[in-house]
Amino acid sequence: DGGITQSPKYLFRKEGQNVTLSCEQNLNHDAMYWYRQDPGQGLRLIYYSQIVNDFQKGDIAEGYSVSREKKESFPLTVTSAQKNPTAFYLCASSITAQYQPQHFGDGTRLSIL
Amino acid sequence: DQQVKQNSPSLSVQEGRISILNCDYTNSMFDYFLWYKKYPAEGPTFLISISSIKDKNEDGRFTVFLNKSAKHLSLHIVPSQPGDSAVYFCAASAAGGSQGNLIFGKGTKLSVKP
Repeated sequence: DGGITQSPKYLFRKEGQNVTLSCEQNLNHDAMYWYRQDPGQGLRLIYYSQIVNDFQKGDIAEGYSVSREKKESFPLTVTSAQKNPTAFYLCASSITAQYQPQHFGDGTRLSIL
Repeated sequence: DQQVKQNSPSLSVQEGRISILNCDYTNSMFDYFLWYKKYPAEGPTFLISISSIKDKNEDGRFTVFLNKSAKHLSLHIVPSQPGDSAVYFCAASAAGGSQGNLIFGKGTKLSVKP
């Protein structure tokens, strides 16, 4: 079955630690995205990538980093510089960046210990 | 400043009746609009989209209407079913540009009562 896999579903981080969230897709999509959702809020874009080896900052990129070395993978690192990392993180992909719906994984909930 | 607004946090509808979810936007560069449905602790599921060259798009029980002059779109669900109970997000994109990333509203929680 084609889809987007995010792992783990729940993640705990100690203060001062970096943590990496995994996102893999087997849909052969060019574009991939990371969003953050806070309670009662819409999704906000962290980073996006339109093609392998290229990525751009979204609206709330501070404290996060990404890489796009393979078409199917777009991991997100939450660094210790992110002051409020507790949130629900969603990865998405689309065939191309323009005029195509984005399809989402089931998310990773990150909590601070 | 919110570019995509869903002014109703919640909506309750009787099973079998029509559900109408509304969305307003401020950015005139938006030219591609989508609706997503989301259950708790899951990712959003794509429902239906519309580009700015159209004013209506249908897919089964779901119809999206776009009024560009009013910068308003709506999602109609007919007939509503209890399984439609979820949070619905409106999203918009200036897809004609280079980015294509989506701007989301805060969502409307739909409850369909049997």
